[in-house]
Amino acid sequence: DTEVTQTPKHLVMGMTNKKSLKCEQHMGHRAMYWYKQKAKKPPELMFVYSYEKLSINESVPSRFSPECPNSSLLNLHLHALQPEDSALYLCASSQGLQFNQPQHFGDGTRLSIL
Amino acid sequence: AQKVTQAQTEISVVEKEDVTLDCVYETRDTTYYLFWYKQPPSGELVFLIRRNSFDEQNEISGRYSWNFQKSTSSFNFTITASQVVDSAVYFCALSESLDTGNQFYFGTGTSLTVIP
Repeated sequence: DTEVTQTPKHLVMGMTNKKSLKCEQHMGHRAMYWYKQKAKKPPELMFVYSYEKLSINESVPSRFSPECPNSSLLNLHLHALQPEDSALYLCASSQGLQFNQPQHFGDGTRLSIL
Repeated sequence: AQKVTQAQTEISVVEKEDVTLDCVYETRDTTYYLFWYKQPPSGELVFLIRRNSFDEQNEISGRYSWNFQKSTSSFNFTITASQVVDSAVYFCALSESLDTGNQFYFGTGTSLTVIP
């Protein structure tokens, strides 16, 4: 079983909807990540949080809004998404931002935009 | 430029065959880490191994083994006596000391199918 839990597993939404993706880890990790993965492609980094502060934003459109309420939780708020935003969204965590830290991933949320 | 190259897009093997997945990386950093991840159809990326740039010892874990060669900038992954459960997409990734944020450079992945 994965130690990073993502909900929901699947999400279908219209372009005018507002929804949120949730990620939770209880490994005491202080860094958390959001990735977007299209079919047959590697994950693409979106956001990095360290000690609950946004550390990296990879020029992600503002229709994606991350939030880190505490060290165990990471949310991704979605609003006015486009069909090209349909993808697998993966959350990951690591002990810290040191470059030697493996990232531990959740199962992802499969998002479909109608 | 692609920092991590996995030239094999798809590989099919018959169960019990050995298979090697290739990973070639490019970096100017002297200190870096290499990782392998497995992504089954369920979606989760499962961490398999981490190797630092100063440790060229090969590693074996059960049916899995890894060959790290700095001279050829390669970090290849071999599965011995493959099983159907090994069917997945495998990603090689690089993390450099000069980067902030523990950013991973992923290869494009190799999709392995093990045929029973």
